[in-house]
Amino acid sequence: GAGVSQSPSNKVTEKGKDVELRCDPISGHTALYWYRQSLGQGLEFLIYFQGNSAPDKSGLPSDRFSAERTGGSVSTLTIQRTQQEDSAVYLCASSFPSGGSGELFFGEGSRLTVL
Amino acid sequence: AQSVSQHNHHVILSEAASLELGCNYSYGGTVNLFWYVQYPGQHLQLLLKYFSGDPLVKGIKGFEAEFIKSKFSFNLRKPSVQWSDTAEYFCAVNALTGGFKTIFGAGTRLFVKA
Repeated sequence: GAGVSQSPSNKVTEKGKDVELRCDPISGHTALYWYRQSLGQGLEFLIYFQGNSAPDKSGLPSDRFSAERTGGSVSTLTIQRTQQEDSAVYLCASSFPSGGSGELFFGEGSRLTVL
Repeated sequence: AQSVSQHNHHVILSEAASLELGCNYSYGGTVNLFWYVQYPGQHLQLLLKYFSGDPLVKGIKGFEAEFIKSKFSFNLRKPSVQWSDTAEYFCAVNALTGGFKTIFGAGTRLFVKA
């Protein structure tokens, strides 16, 4: 597709379960971001992939969160042993070219609800 | 660490009123600055951006923003708002010293009364 694609769009899970969220960026975009959007919290930076460089993981809130990007394209954000405070909309964005000057293109987000 | 502060979390205006949303960032050095907008039920999209040159930049739908380096500010303005401007507005920054990752402010929810 032409835009950033995220799946699932909605995920309801029980506390303690693991979840995986997927992002398929725009073809050719070298940068990929994950953000978390909670009510009143704005967009919280989680992780940033840029080309073949080591990802910037400085925003991951705990070691229960991890992400990978395979082949410079699709990315998966994994949350282990989910907690209720993990409930939020998880947004993926991609951009091109590298060097920070690119506009971010966002997906629709994955809404996670932890019961 | 870089950070972005948006002064107003909620703003309510009547149609035709003027708008100014404040944004400050905590960075020395060269920065790239952005405003993004999220209309109800839609995904985030770029409103305008500043990289270099004229510090007054114009974006879509009559919005503009002014970069004042000495104040570390990038305030968003619109002379006359419309009901359709009801949305959440996010200021964002990236810079070389931050590895060019884009950091967002907390957002400002604007409600325009018809």
